[in-house]
Amino acid sequence: GEDVEQSLFLSVREGDSSVINCTYTDSSSTYLYWYKQEPGAGLQLLTYIFSNMDMKQDQRLTVLLNKKDKHLSLRIADTQTGDSAIYFCAEGEYGGATNKLIFGTGTLLAVQP
Amino acid sequence: DAMVIQNPRYQVTQFGKPVTLSCSQTLNHNVMYWYQQKSSQAPKLLFHYYDKDFNNEADTPDNFQSRRPNTSFCFLDIRSPGLGDAAMYLCATSRDSDEQFFGPGTRLTVL
Repeated sequence: GEDVEQSLFLSVREGDSSVINCTYTDSSSTYLYWYKQEPGAGLQLLTYIFSNMDMKQDQRLTVLLNKKDKHLSLRIADTQTGDSAIYFCAEGEYGGATNKLIFGTGTLLAVQP
Repeated sequence: DAMVIQNPRYQVTQFGKPVTLSCSQTLNHNVMYWYQQKSSQAPKLLFHYYDKDFNNEADTPDNFQSRRPNTSFCFLDIRSPGLGDAAMYLCATSRDSDEQFFGPGTRLTVL
């Protein structure tokens, strides 16, 4: 079955870059996603990457995809205290009309002032 | 603003006492999903509705049921909650296989 793994915790200082890593197993995933979850809140889609891309940049966010190694990373430049949250990667299992998301266990990002 | 609303945000129930969680959306999306997220774990899909068609995940316990009376509303019914059902329940919506929009979740406590 599908399995998505992430490291549990990352601590950085404000202004530094953060890199959150994820490995997945389903090579047929069409899209891979990064979601942010703040305390007590739902999931907010940050960015996604199509499986035939290597990199996608969106303002402070850079997503790198190594399809051969099934490795996905999210880099946050100039990390701010407001970036403190849990970050989930997810792979999309396309089922024709719908897209089932398989989430990783999440990485808690703590930004120290 | 168009959004996904979940009520209540916090729900306390007793062991074995049926409970219903509510989700509504103003996005006019045709797909609605229910996820269960236990403490420090990944969200896990329980089931989804594609229009009126119900799609259950293979490992979703029979204790969990869902209803979708119209496009805007979807309910999660837990017939006999156990202590292991304490979790955050997340509702999401999408237009077909496009981006899923999540509600803020309902945190369920079972005493």
